[in-house]
Amino acid sequence: DVKVTQSSRYLVKRTGEKVFLECVQDMDHENMFWYRQDPGLGLRLIYFSYDVKMKEKGDIPEGYSVSREKKERFSLILESASTNQTSMYLCASSSPGLVSYEQYFGPGTRLTVT
Amino acid sequence: KNQVEQSPQSLIILEGKNCTLQCNYTVSPFSNLRWYKQDTGRGPVSLTIMTFSENTKSNGRYTATLDADTKQSSLHITASQLSDSASYICVVSPRGEGTYKYIFGTGTRLKVLA
Repeated sequence: DVKVTQSSRYLVKRTGEKVFLECVQDMDHENMFWYRQDPGLGLRLIYFSYDVKMKEKGDIPEGYSVSREKKERFSLILESASTNQTSMYLCASSSPGLVSYEQYFGPGTRLTVT
Repeated sequence: KNQVEQSPQSLIILEGKNCTLQCNYTVSPFSNLRWYKQDTGRGPVSLTIMTFSENTKSNGRYTATLDADTKQSSLHITASQLSDSASYICVVSPRGEGTYKYIFGTGTRLKVLA
């Protein structure tokens, strides 16, 4: 079974702090994604990566950066956390070789910025 | 603009009853449509995936249908159980936009009461 893990289930940070969210997948998938999920808005893509050290901006990249130094690990960085970044953050992975490019999601990190 | 709309936004049913959730999309052409189940505070888990040429797919008590002519999909849940209480998300992948493009609906929140 594919497993996508995220470093924290719950996180509370202060405004202005630098925040790291880590995601690891164990199925050698090429593609990895970071989404945020807010009530009534659905999942919105922040960044995705299709290979090591490669990244592309999604729909809402402002205030975020990412790092992919190893194929299995994709990190989301909030350079200076703000209260409007309080949200549920979901990591996902997929492979072009999979049927219909199915995505597998991690359990999510609920981030609160105070 | 590619959009995915789901209805109803929320639904309450009694245990043992059937229900149907709707998904309308404007994505065209598309390569596949999926339904995910997301328990509260967890990541989405895939229920069904249908390519544009399929019109029905089952997974236990869950049956998804697709009408590509009217751009509608439905998810039918038979003999509901308390564990079906969750959000159900419809996701459409546009054809020809790479392996990373997914358009998410905002979900239907289902509550099953004893």
